Amino acid sequence: DTGVSQNPRHKITKRGQNVTFRCDPISEHNRLYWYRQTLGQGPEFLTYFQNEAQLEKSRLLSDRFSAERPKGSFSTLEIQRTEQGDSAMYLCASSRGAGTGLDTQYFGPGTRLTVL
Amino acid sequence: QKEVEQNSGPLSVPEGAIASLNCTYSDRGSQSFFWYRQYSGKSPELIMFIYSNGDKEDGRFTAQLNKASQYVSLLIRDSQPSDSATYLCAVTSGGSYIPTFGRGTSLIVHP
Repeated sequence: DTGVSQNPRHKITKRGQNVTFRCDPISEHNRLYWYRQTLGQGPEFLTYFQNEAQLEKSRLLSDRFSAERPKGSFSTLEIQRTEQGDSAMYLCASSRGAGTGLDTQYFGPGTRLTVL
Repeated sequence: QKEVEQNSGPLSVPEGAIASLNCTYSDRGSQSFFWYRQYSGKSPELIMFIYSNGDKEDGRFTAQLNKASQYVSLLIRDSQPSDSATYLCAVTSGGSYIPTFGRGTSLIVHP
């Protein structure tokens, strides 16, 4: 158990609905990351936060995707008007934020989204 | 575009053998290299990281880094069926701490 938690673990929704996922990082970790992973691929970076500041969001897949970390603790990822192509595992990771480069990330269990 | 390449496999080895997993990367400015293990339906789990040329050993695992040739490998000694999983290579470059992941190599250790 790495200490990163995600909820829900599974989400089934109908196309066009909005969904929101939550991530609680390891308590002393400053950085929080969101990834998407599809079958047979490695995790694909979406966005990350340093405390409450969202420092990189240009790689969010479309303007239907948004993320927040309002108090620098937990984070939410929202997908509006879901499409079948959004079906994937959404992973959250956190890291201590030890300078640049060598900053190991620890992943949560993921939220598996199925869009019908 | 920074690329991290891994053979998707599957790599099949008998129990007790050495499994060798390879990863190449395109960005010469890459600084840190990570190996994650991912069981089917689960999230990635960090095995080890390396940032200096040469070998780094941790139990049955050895990471090898050759920056001149732009590859990093993971050796698993005395492979066990419980090592059967997908192994992901991740690389960070320059001053970024956002890793680029390879697609992973599937390892099967058969009894």
